[in-house]
Formats: sequence, C-alpha cells, structure tokens
Amino acid sequence: DIQMTQSPASLSASVGDSVTIACRASQSISTYLNWYQQKPGKAPKLLIYTASTLQSGVPSRFGGGGSGTDFTLTISSLQPDDFATYYCQQSYSTLYTFGQGTKLEIK
Amino acid sequence: QVQLQESGPGLVKPSQTLSLTCTVSGDSISSGGHHWSWIRQNPGKGLEWIGYIFYTGSTTYNPSLRSRLTISVDTSKNQFSLNLTSVTAADTAVYYCARYTMSSGPFDYWGQGTLVTVSS
Repeated sequence: DIQMTQSPASLSASVGDSVTIACRASQSISTYLNWYQQKPGKAPKLLIYTASTLQSGVPSRFGGGGSGTDFTLTISSLQPDDFATYYCQQSYSTLYTFGQGTKLEIK
Repeated sequence: QVQLQESGPGLVKPSQTLSLTCTVSGDSISSGGHHWSWIRQNPGKGLEWIGYIFYTGSTTYNPSLRSRLTISVDTSKNQFSLNLTSVTAADTAVYYCARYTMSSGPFDYWGQGTLVTVSS
C-alpha cells in the first residue's frame, strides 16, 4: 500500500490567515494526488485533483502543488467556511489511500 | 447534476451481512469513463477505500476486505451494491458511495453517507 502522511494533524488559524497543509506519499505518485474538504456530518468534497487542478466551483484561494512524494494544499485569506478537515488521497495505485486528515480550527 | 444516494439498514448484527445500495442519478453508470466506489469512515477516524466496480461488472477490492466483500452493479436500475459478510464492530462506519473519474483521477461525486452500526 502507498501510505499517505499529512502534517500537521491539526492547525489553528484566524480568518484572513494563509495556511499550508503538507501530504507525503511513501513512494512516488507523480501528480496523482487529490485534496478533499470534509465538514462534520458531510461527505468529503473534492477541491483539487492531479495535485494542482482546481475543481470547478472551488474558490481560487485554494491552491495545490507538488509532485513525486511531497505535496501541499495552501489556503490563502481563510474564510469562516474553510474551517474543516482536509484529506489528501493518492490515485497512482488502484489501492486508493487517504491521508489521516488535517483539522483546521478557528483560533 | 450527478447525485448518489446510499440506502440500506443502519443496524447489523455481528457475524451477519452488511448490504447497501447506491442509486445514481444525473449520470448513467453504463456511460463509461468512471468507476463506482464504496468508501467508509470509522467514527472519528479517516477514510478507507473499500472497492470499485465498472459498468461491465469488473471489480477491484481492497485486499484487507476482499475475502468478505462483493460489489455488484445493476445497470438497468443505475445502481451498484455492497455486500460485506461476517461483520464485526470494527465494520461500524459511515459508508459512502462515490464516482471516480478515470481521466483525471479523483472521487468527484459522493453520496451523503449512511451510518451502519454493527451491534447485537
């Protein structure tokens, strides 16, 4: 299995801040990396696919980067609606795996 | 607008079979270009991919569940289903169905999820 490790596990920030969440794969996955946002009681929502492509309808303050084993999700100018849990997921291997999640909380 | 909706019992007894169905609207399972997955999330925990099926009936399963798992498709009803046998408390989770777009690689549409509790 390809292990996906996110850091940090949790993060406190204020509205207007910029934050970066890291995701590391246990082996190279090229750019087969996707990011999701999940709010309590809701299904995950796709934000970014193939490492840096913004899903239609997702605000441009969300950005993704990286390739190989190291990836980042950056949220600039945090809005109240952005406080949620974020997951990375690799689609390089058909044994799809997710990171453990990063909980973004309001400071 | 693509929508997926899970349905099935919310409570299953230990050692019995967990059965769920996902009904797809706004897209045809038979259209190709996608496969159709089950994903679960244990309470307070992360996400685990269970397996997927193509409209042809071809499947790929998570090896950790393969011995207990069957995913099937009914293209006439635009549905796909999950059967997980010999369940234990460890199978208690929110179960999601999701569409995976093969050209770009993400799970782009998800059902709302259904909580299945394994308990006597």
